[in-house]
Amino acid sequence: KQEVTQIPAALSVPEGENLVLNCSFTDSAIYNLQWFRQDPGKGLTSLLLIQSSQREQTSGRLNASLDKSSGRSTLYIAASQPGDSATYLCAVPLYSGGGADGLTFGKGTHLIIQP
Amino acid sequence: DVKVTQSSRYLVKRTGEKVFLECVQDMDHENMFWYRQDPGLGLRLIYFSYDVKMKEKGDIPEGYSVSREKKERFSLILESASTNQTSMYLCATKPGQGLIYGYTFGSGTRLTVV
Repeated sequence: KQEVTQIPAALSVPEGENLVLNCSFTDSAIYNLQWFRQDPGKGLTSLLLIQSSQREQTSGRLNASLDKSSGRSTLYIAASQPGDSATYLCAVPLYSGGGADGLTFGKGTHLIIQP
Repeated sequence: DVKVTQSSRYLVKRTGEKVFLECVQDMDHENMFWYRQDPGLGLRLIYFSYDVKMKEKGDIPEGYSVSREKKERFSLILESASTNQTSMYLCATKPGQGLIYGYTFGSGTRLTVV
């Protein structure tokens, strides 16, 4: 069964820094990987979805990469802003068979951007 | 944009009550999911449904049931609420069986059982 680990668990940096959040997964037979953002007490907002055939996806200041063979993904945030403060979650399909089987999540990286 | 609406942001219920959590989506997605989120444990899948009247157990179905009588609505039912079911509950949807689609989440329901 798939397991997802996110490192670091928490990160606090000054505004303006570029930063990298890491995600690793145990079963490399995934068909996609999704990054989410969660603000305190709120639901999840999808940031980026990377298909297994892709190496990268970009949205504004966010760039996510995927290396299936090594079981890793990174989320790169450029020029961080206080509004980026949130918990970032990485998720992959529960099973490699595809279809509607739900997601397994990492425990997230709690990010604080200091003004 | 897909909208996933959870009817209540906050709920307080008593031990032993039957509790209904409602989720409604407006984009005709086939698949709907219920998760709970707890500090230190992360998000865990309770139940999901890939069609009307169809349901599948997730990782932690004990103490819960679900109902999907219409495509747009997926209800999570706590048959007899207990304090260990105090949690944040999140509903999600996903279109079809295609592998290229991602998941969309609602804003969550914070349930407290006293």
